[in-house]
Amino acid sequence: DAGVIQSPRHEVTEMGQEVTLRCKPISGHNSLFWYRQTMMRGLELLIYFNNNVPIDDSGMPEDRFSAKMPNASFSTLKIQPSEPRDSAVYFCASSLSSSGSFETQYFGPGTRLLVL
Amino acid sequence: KQEVTQIPAALSVPEGENLVLNCSFTDSAIYNLQWFRQDPGKGLTSLLLIQSSQREQTSGRLNASLDKSSGRSTLYIAASQPGDSATYLCAVMEYGNKLVFGAGTILRVKS
Repeated sequence: DAGVIQSPRHEVTEMGQEVTLRCKPISGHNSLFWYRQTMMRGLELLIYFNNNVPIDDSGMPEDRFSAKMPNASFSTLKIQPSEPRDSAVYFCASSLSSSGSFETQYFGPGTRLLVL
Repeated sequence: KQEVTQIPAALSVPEGENLVLNCSFTDSAIYNLQWFRQDPGKGLTSLLLIQSSQREQTSGRLNASLDKSSGRSTLYIAASQPGDSATYLCAVMEYGNKLVFGAGTILRVKS
């Protein structure tokens, strides 16, 4: 199994540009998570999908952030316009969840974003 | 709001020592507790998952305990090795499949 795949692995952009991060979850998993990791705030959940439907987006910091999951094998996290304070490592994770059962989340390698 | 605290923030030990990492959480209404390992520049790897009804889990040299009523968990690493050097993260799963992470303990095992 290839695990969770994220692209790009590194992204350097200028303030005001649009940034799109991509994630392919583990085949067969029905839950997908986007996290952000910074030195100041640690790991924070941004948004969580179950069966391709956004369940909880309370962690999305601003309207500049949006996430989609058009099918079970692909998700995007978009920042438009980007700002220097968005610089962080963005992780995607997936898991297999059923009613009343929440299993281990498997994390991708992350995308290191630097906004100049 | 759930808060997860990990102590110590950093730990440096000689190879071969047994060590304990501590995690505490403020709200005992959790589904499970997980310990992850993160290597520099890498993603997270799940080490152990303890369901809320369980008291402990073991995997090789790792043993994790959970006392839900007191809001505490410990990760015990036996006979530490330089390859154990990493950041160890504790996370509790709340209602709605949401993981809340601690800040982590940075472990260095010296050879």
